[in-house]
Amino acid sequence: NAGVTQTPKFQVLKTGQSMTLQCAQDMNHEYMSWYRQDPGMGLRLIHYSVGAGITDQGEVPNGYNVSRSTTEDFPLRLLSAAPSQTSVYFCASSYLRWSTDSYTNYGYTFGSGTRLTVV
Amino acid sequence: GESVGLHLPTLSVQEGDNSIINCAYSNSASDYFIWYKQESGKGPQFIIDIRSNMDKRQGQRVTVLLNKTVKHLSLQIAATQPGDSAVYFCAENIGVGFGNEKLTFGTGTRLTIIP
Repeated sequence: NAGVTQTPKFQVLKTGQSMTLQCAQDMNHEYMSWYRQDPGMGLRLIHYSVGAGITDQGEVPNGYNVSRSTTEDFPLRLLSAAPSQTSVYFCASSYLRWSTDSYTNYGYTFGSGTRLTVV
Repeated sequence: GESVGLHLPTLSVQEGDNSIINCAYSNSASDYFIWYKQESGKGPQFIIDIRSNMDKRQGQRVTVLLNKTVKHLSLQIAATQPGDSAVYFCAENIGVGFGNEKLTFGTGTRLTIIP
């Protein structure tokens, strides 16, 4: 059980280049999400997915695309990299359980991160 | 103290002493809270969680207290060790229906254990 695996660990891009950050989990979690973390700040949600074929925007979605074709994978795409996207990116997964009157995420597990620099 | 909004950036504690990290949240609809530990160069690591129908939960050397009246969360670490040095984040979850679940993180508190 590898948990959440992110690749690559480090990446340098030139402005305008595109790339895909990979995220895979082997815990059969329904919920997956992408966060970015900037110096001195907490994690900010980019996009999330509650299951295969379903994605939605988080707090800072501009400049990023996602898709969820399988339960296991949730890639994050930068179509035209900008220096403002220099950050550390974390993928996370969790399972959803109904409790009382709502769903809640449990078992939130993070990957080890991708450090992206856009020059 | 830290909040999902404001934060106390650093806290230094003597090794062996107890530490308390605070977090103020703003959304009274939040129903689930998690504390994470993040060491340098690593992803956040789950420490302990608590649901809104509880006011206290204990783990190994850690206790989370929830005061819904004043919307305050705290993490107590007993008998701190050098390995406890890290940034600690609180996060809140609002479960308002399938598809809307999101964790919102505070900016973090850096805990330094002094040998």
